[in-house]
Amino acid sequence: AQTVTQSQPEMSVQEAETVTLSCTYDTSESDYYLFWYKQPPSRQMILVIRQEAYKQQNATENRFSVNFQKAAKSFSLKISDSQLGDAAMYFCAYRTSNFGNEKLTFGTGTRLTIIP
Amino acid sequence: DVKVTQSSRYLVKRTGEKVFLECVQDMDHENMFWYRQDPGLGLRLIYFSYDVKMKEKGDIPEGYSVSREKKERFSLILESASTNQTSMYLCASSLGGWFEKLFFGSGTQLSVL
Repeated sequence: AQTVTQSQPEMSVQEAETVTLSCTYDTSESDYYLFWYKQPPSRQMILVIRQEAYKQQNATENRFSVNFQKAAKSFSLKISDSQLGDAAMYFCAYRTSNFGNEKLTFGTGTRLTIIP
Repeated sequence: DVKVTQSSRYLVKRTGEKVFLECVQDMDHENMFWYRQDPGLGLRLIYFSYDVKMKEKGDIPEGYSVSREKKERFSLILESASTNQTSMYLCASSLGGWFEKLFFGSGTQLSVL
C-alpha cells in the first residue's frame, strides 16, 4: 500500500517570504498522481496544485510550485510571497493510476502559520 | 461552482446511538467519498462509491456503513456510535478520471459522549 509522509507538523513563515513544505511517499508504481490540498479555518479542502508523475516538468500555479523528485519520491510545495490567506493546514496526497481506483491517500498534514 | 453539502457542521451523540451523516453534491459527480480526519493522522478513507448502489471499503471501514440510493447523495452510517468515532468527517466528490480533483464539503465535527 502507498504511504504519504509529511514530516513537518507545523511551519511558520514571515509574510512575503518563501516557505517550502515537505512530502515524501512510498510506492512501487511508476505512474501516479500527486496533489497538494489546503484546508483553511473554514475546513473546506481546496486543491492547490497537482502533478502527473510521468511529467518531468514541475507544476506551477501562480505563487505555488512544486519540486517533484521522482527518484527520491519527494513532492515538496513552495509558496512564494506568502500571504495571510495562506495560513492553513496543507495536505499532500497520492493517487494511483490504476483503472477504477481513484481514491486519494493523504499525509498527516502541515499547519502553516503566516507571521505578519 | 461545485457544491458539496454536509447536513451538519457539529453533531453530538451518545454512545450506542445510530448516527447518520448526510452528504449531497450538485454536479452530477460519479464518485463520492467519506474521509475521517484526526489530528496527527491526516485524512483516512472510510468508504467510497463509484456509482449509485455501489460501495467500496476504504482503509478504515470498521464500525461504519454507507448508502447511495441516489447519485447526488452519499450517507455515512455509524450503526452504534462509540467514543473512538469522535472525529471530523469529510465528504468529497469527483467527476471521475485520472486527474480529476476532489471537491470537499465543510466537514461534520462529531462528538460521541
